Amino acid sequence: QKEVEQDPGPLSVPEGAIVSLNCTYSNSAFQYFMWYRQYSRKGPELLMYTYSSGNKEDGRFTAQVDKSSKYISLFIRDSQPSDSATYLCAMKTGGADGLTFGKGTHLIIQP
Amino acid sequence: DSGVTQTPKHLITATGQRVTLRCSPRSGDLSVYWYQQSLDQGLQFLIQYYNGEERAKGNILERFSAQQFPDLHSELNLSSLELGDSALYFCASSLVGDTQYFGPGTRLTVL
Repeated sequence: QKEVEQDPGPLSVPEGAIVSLNCTYSNSAFQYFMWYRQYSRKGPELLMYTYSSGNKEDGRFTAQVDKSSKYISLFIRDSQPSDSATYLCAMKTGGADGLTFGKGTHLIIQP
Repeated sequence: DSGVTQTPKHLITATGQRVTLRCSPRSGDLSVYWYQQSLDQGLQFLIQYYNGEERAKGNILERFSAQQFPDLHSELNLSSLELGDSALYFCASSLVGDTQYFGPGTRLTVL
């Protein structure tokens, strides 16, 4: 079992829809949770960062963390064609360590 | 633009050769991280340096090594290259370890 599981998609939705992206994880030591957006052949771009359980909202994006279920989500409201990209969840323990990434979900927003 | 720079953008070399990838972190960031992204493995953490010292190691092969210089730029050295080393190599930097900003990457092709 991989430490972080993420459905690779592709996930195709019409413009304006609410998008839900999810990851599950197995390592209970993860404390920091991030979502990155990656356009083709570009570097990952940090979208959201949350610490421990709870919700965080930033514009059209909402990140949710449920540590009891080892489950994190990213919601995108009023989705735009420019949101079409690969979305990567990432996690980190509290110690000196790199990020552990999911494989990424390829999202397509249809105009 | 994340403020992290990487050179070169593309590198094509032959099996058995050695290459050096370079990264300059964002102004003020003390930590540099190296990641490898391949189609089958996804984004994987290789190694972290903090203010010139190795801080954490991930899935880095013995053929690979890195260092961080007094001006905080970092180099990743890959030797005895194999076909399977073809991948995107990303550098990320952070001031606080949980929020990492990625560079544009170096695409390595080993023929």
